[in-house]
Amino acid sequence: SQKIEQNSEALNIQEGKTATLTCNYTNYSPAYLQWYRQDPGRGPVFLLLIRENEKEKRKERLKVTFDTTLKQSLFHITASQPADSATYLCALAGAGSYQLTFGKGTKLSVIP
Amino acid sequence: KAGVTQTPRYLIKTRGQQVTLSCSPISGHRSVSWYQQTPGQGLQFLFEYFSETQRNKGNFPGRFSGRQFSNSRSEMNVSTLELGDSALYLCASSLAPQGWGQETQYFGPGTRLLVL
Repeated sequence: SQKIEQNSEALNIQEGKTATLTCNYTNYSPAYLQWYRQDPGRGPVFLLLIRENEKEKRKERLKVTFDTTLKQSLFHITASQPADSATYLCALAGAGSYQLTFGKGTKLSVIP
Repeated sequence: KAGVTQTPRYLIKTRGQQVTLSCSPISGHRSVSWYQQTPGQGLQFLFEYFSETQRNKGNFPGRFSGRQFSNSRSEMNVSTLELGDSALYLCASSLAPQGWGQETQYFGPGTRLLVL
């Protein structure tokens, strides 16, 4: 069956370090993958989209990679700040249906 | 530009009742998607509407239904509520449907439904 897994439920890192979050999938032919940030009591906020034929995307301190051979996306936040503390969700759109399936999220805590 | 608005923000119902939730997309956005978020299952896709037509539907029972109006506003309805329907229901709008090249979704704050 199709599955999306975000390996860590929670990740604690020191301020200034690079946070790396992982999203793995099985039994998908992906069209694209999205990353979102969600703060408590709020709806998710779109961060980045990467398509299946792209290897890497960057936006300010954020970087996403997409490896369709490994069936994995990595999400990096460089020079992390306490304000980056939130839950980060990955979402995969399958080719054809484009229905978004979300991982359960990784709660990132950046410690000052 | 105003963001996605959802009403009501909080709702308490009892088992067996039905509920209607409303979503107003960002002005100019014609695609609306609905999601259910629970601690156990995470964020799950319910349905997607574009130009008053349902384009996609998630794996939910027929008790969950929706519609979209000509002004792109959308409603979702849950009939015969069950305890397990307690969740945060999120609406998201985008310029175009998923897969059309403008996939950025903007989420509303959600409606928190509690079924007793």
